[in-house]
Amino acid sequence: AQSVTQPDIHITVSEGASLELRCNYSYGATPYLFWYVQSPGQGLQLLLKYFSGDTLVQGIKGFEAEFKRSQSSFNLRKPSVHWSDAAEYFCAVGARGGYQKVTFGTGTKLQVIP
Amino acid sequence: DGGITQSPKYLFRKEGQNVTLSCEQNLNHDAMYWYRQDPGQGLRLIYYSQIVNDFQKGDIAEGYSVSREKKESFPLTVTSAQKNPTAFYLCASSIDLRSTGELFFGEGSRLTVL
Repeated sequence: AQSVTQPDIHITVSEGASLELRCNYSYGATPYLFWYVQSPGQGLQLLLKYFSGDTLVQGIKGFEAEFKRSQSSFNLRKPSVHWSDAAEYFCAVGARGGYQKVTFGTGTKLQVIP
Repeated sequence: DGGITQSPKYLFRKEGQNVTLSCEQNLNHDAMYWYRQDPGQGLRLIYYSQIVNDFQKGDIAEGYSVSREKKESFPLTVTSAQKNPTAFYLCASSIDLRSTGELFFGEGSRLTVL
């Protein structure tokens, strides 16, 4: 069965600083990979996704993520964080073939300080 | 605009009562899902459905029931058998179960047991 680990429960960065959120997955083949963002009391919104091809994926709001097969990682990055980026971020993995069950990580809560 | 509508946003329940959470989508998606979200635990799948009149148990189905009488609607009933129902519930949809796993979420319903 697939699984996702987000090792950082909470991260604080200064506005304008760079950001990297870590995500490691476990899956027997190349999975589908996603990053979602959730504002307090809201649903989740897709930031970006990786299916195949170029391992550097661009998403909305200036985010990008890089798929590294050798490290089983799919870390999310942003070069300059804005106060509006404060939210919770979830990494997710989907299986290929058959039912596309999506498994979510436990989330990383991002705090942005002035 | 297409999307997923969940209601009510907030719901209070006395112990022993059943409650039903509504989920309606106008995205013409075949697959619909219910997730439960608890702090620090990410999202856990309760039930999912691919077509009308068919649904499957997810990872934590005990104490919950669903129906899928219309393509657009997938209500969730939290029964008195659910021992710890206080949580944030998210409804989601995707094109179908065998697609790439990209999920579209509603804004959630917060259930509190008094």
